[in-house]
Amino acid sequence: KQEVTQIPAALSVPEGENLVLNCSFTDSAIYNLQWFRQDPGKGLTSLLLIQSSQREQTSGRLNASLDKSSGRSTLYIAASQPGDSATYLCAVSNAGNMLTFGGGTRLMVKP
Amino acid sequence: EAEVAQSPRYKITEKSQAVAFWCDPISGHATLYWYRQILGQGPELLVQFQDESVVDDSQLPKDRFSAERLKGVDSTLKIQPAELGDSAMYLCASSLDKGVANEQFFGPGTRLTVL
Repeated sequence: KQEVTQIPAALSVPEGENLVLNCSFTDSAIYNLQWFRQDPGKGLTSLLLIQSSQREQTSGRLNASLDKSSGRSTLYIAASQPGDSATYLCAVSNAGNMLTFGGGTRLMVKP
Repeated sequence: EAEVAQSPRYKITEKSQAVAFWCDPISGHATLYWYRQILGQGPELLVQFQDESVVDDSQLPKDRFSAERLKGVDSTLKIQPAELGDSAMYLCASSLDKGVANEQFFGPGTRLTVL
């Protein structure tokens, strides 16, 4: 059974710092990996999707990398802002496009 | 911009009562998913539909939960009877198809509280 782990569970940084969120998965036979953002009490917003054949994806200040063979992904956030405060979730998909999620990293960016 | 719609946004019920949640996926999306997210955890898939057919419901507690997507468009998730442990956020998502390249888009969720 696929298991997804996110470290750290919570992170607090001052505004302007660059930061890295980590995601690991136990079964490397994935088809894609998605990073999501979730604000308190809200639904999920897709940030980046990396296909299994890709190594990274970039969107604005966000960069996600994927090392499928080692079962790891990182989400890099450059020049963090208070508006980046949220929970960040990673999820991996199987052949049927069913997602298995990690527990999330709660990020607080302090002004 | 096309979005996944869910209603109600919040539901408070007493245990042993019946509750129902509704989801309308993005127009043209063939695949629909229901997830349950317990506070502080990641979402877990309950059921996946391809058009009107169930693709996977292995994690759906079938003694009390049911889901349907009769015309292959909107979907309803029902719980009867509700239990205290069902308190969670229920999220609906859709994708163009169940192919592996398809990004999932999520609705705002329904927050269920069972008293």
